[in-house]
Amino acid sequence: SQQGEEDPQALSIQEGENATMNCSYKTSINNLQWYRQNSGRGLVHLILIRSNEREKHSGRLRVTLDTSKKSSSLLITASRAADTASYFCATDPSGNTPLVFGKGTRLSVIA
Amino acid sequence: EAGVVQSPRYKIIEKKQPVAFWCNPISGHNTLYWYRQNLGQGPELLIRYENEEAVDDSQLPKDRFSAERLKGVDSTLKIQPAELGDSAVYLCASSSGTENEKLFFGSGTQLSVL
Repeated sequence: SQQGEEDPQALSIQEGENATMNCSYKTSINNLQWYRQNSGRGLVHLILIRSNEREKHSGRLRVTLDTSKKSSSLLITASRAADTASYFCATDPSGNTPLVFGKGTRLSVIA
Repeated sequence: EAGVVQSPRYKIIEKKQPVAFWCNPISGHNTLYWYRQNLGQGPELLIRYENEEAVDDSQLPKDRFSAERLKGVDSTLKIQPAELGDSAVYLCASSSGTENEKLFFGSGTQLSVL
């Protein structure tokens, strides 16, 4: 079963624009992570935000977490063609439970 | 530092045949995961190891799937016999702790069952 659900399922933007992806989940969490997957490759960890944090930055990435709404967003600023990939959120429902991944958002950045 | 290594990258078999996937995690990572990823979906956990012990295998179809992690390092995932519905990408991941800190994934094995 998949707890996280990303929205939109697919997103197409022009290079230089910002891309925003959202993730909603169902149960309380310890942390939420975002991963990127290029076509035919494994997932790469992008950023982790803990339940007591509201916002986190890493380079061109900005992640927010609203535990009251059980939602998170990933913002990629000044997108590049190389950002074209699928992006997944993964939630940690409790301390010793494996991460649960959503279905992902497919981002296409057009040069 | 070498990443998570998986082999083979691709495997095509006929249904009812056996198949095995191999994973070498990052050196020093005690936790190893096998995930299955269907087309257009996110990864779903099959089994998680802490060293040699399988601590979460509730999603592993035990009638046909088996896994082992000898000496707490490399791991093998086996399917016998394979069914058409087993076609997917099988991903191995490892991490250094038990608190779901970030996972490092291999490139996966794409299995096609004909």
